[in-house]
Amino acid sequence: AQTVTQSQPEMSVQEAETVTLSCTYDTSESNYYLFWYKQPPSRQMILVIRQEAYKQQNATENRFSVNFQKAAKSFSLKISDSQLGDTAMYFCAFISGSSNTGKLIFGQGTTLQVKP
Amino acid sequence: NAGVTQTPKFRILKIGQSMTLQCAQDMNHNYMYWYRQDPGMGLKLIYYSVGAGITDKGEVPNGYNVSRSTTEDFPLRLELAAPSQTSVYFCASSYGQALSKNIQYFGAGTRLSVL
Repeated sequence: AQTVTQSQPEMSVQEAETVTLSCTYDTSESNYYLFWYKQPPSRQMILVIRQEAYKQQNATENRFSVNFQKAAKSFSLKISDSQLGDTAMYFCAFISGSSNTGKLIFGQGTTLQVKP
Repeated sequence: NAGVTQTPKFRILKIGQSMTLQCAQDMNHNYMYWYRQDPGMGLKLIYYSVGAGITDKGEVPNGYNVSRSTTEDFPLRLELAAPSQTSVYFCASSYGQALSKNIQYFGAGTRLSVL
């Protein structure tokens, strides 16, 4: 069974600094996607970034980038120049290429607080 | 473009009551999903649908029912509410199952308390 683990329940960072959130996953498949979703206090789930397993190049979206280590099954999120609006819960998620449901498998989440 | 719209945003039910959580999307997506999020946890799949008239169970379907009569709407029904169903419910949709098309867009959630 596929699993996603986020080992950091809570993290904090000073405004303008850089923070890295960790995520590991377990799968025997070679074809899959990984995602980071942001859930601010409004509860809205917002897609931050995604990575295709076949792509070696790490995905980047403005201040957000990932470090995808396929052999280690690691998928960390780096937030540069942290802003107060980045305060949220962040979820790592996995979807299998062989899934017949299209189901996302979520980690437990990491609560990030950006301090002024 | 409204995306995925969920109603209501909040609801309190008494044990044994019934209710329907509404979900509508205007992106012409084929796939729709219902998840629940318990406090401090990630989301778990309740039911999903691959198109109008087709639904199937996810990871935690007990106590729920769904229907999909149109592409746009995917309501979730709780027949006999129990305290264990206290949670935040999210509806999501995506264009298709293929990995490249399965970016799921989420509604704002419905917070349900069963007392």
